[in-house]
Amino acid sequence: AQSVAQPEDQVKVAEGNPLTVKCTYSVSGNPYLFWYVQYPNRGLQFLLKYITGDNLVKGSYGFEAEFNKSQTSFHLKKPSALVSDSALYFCAVRDIGGSNDYKLSFGAGTTVTVRA
Amino acid sequence: NAGVTQTPKFQVLKTGQSMTLQCAQDMNHEYMSWYRQDPGMGLRLIHYSVGAGITDQGEVPNGYNVSRSTTEDFPLRLLSAAPSQTSVYFCASHFTGGDTGELFFGEGSRLTVL
Repeated sequence: AQSVAQPEDQVKVAEGNPLTVKCTYSVSGNPYLFWYVQYPNRGLQFLLKYITGDNLVKGSYGFEAEFNKSQTSFHLKKPSALVSDSALYFCAVRDIGGSNDYKLSFGAGTTVTVRA
Repeated sequence: NAGVTQTPKFQVLKTGQSMTLQCAQDMNHEYMSWYRQDPGMGLRLIHYSVGAGITDQGEVPNGYNVSRSTTEDFPLRLLSAAPSQTSVYFCASHFTGGDTGELFFGEGSRLTVL
């Protein structure tokens, strides 16, 4: 069975500082990994994904994520956070080659607060 | 291009009432799914479908029914609403082929069961 863990409920940083949101996963096959962002009272928006290839993936709004197979992690990063990055962030995984590789499993979410 | 459209956006029910949350997508996606979002629990998969006529259960299917008669539509039915079904519901879709796989989400339906 596939699963995702986001160990931090909340992350708080000052504007201009680096932002990291942590994610670890468990799959039986190969992972497709995703990050989504949710602004208040909105649906989820896709940020970036890792399918294969370069372990460093770049996405929307200046975000990037690093895939680490040995640590089964896919941490989201932004070199210089903005107040407008304050939102709820979700990590998700598809288990390609698992019992049902269409399904996407989500972590519990991490609330990011960027203070001015 | 409307993407994924959910209706209604808000609904209040009394315990025991029934209702249907509608979901439609215009991207010709084979895969459609319903999630519920509860504080501290992320998104949990209720039901999903990999094509017209094919549905399957997710993590939390009890109390919900689905059907997929067309590629575009994937309604979620609550037959007898319970307070535990108070939640925000999201419909999502994606292609099943190729290396895409990212889900496209609707704006959500906030349901309150009294």
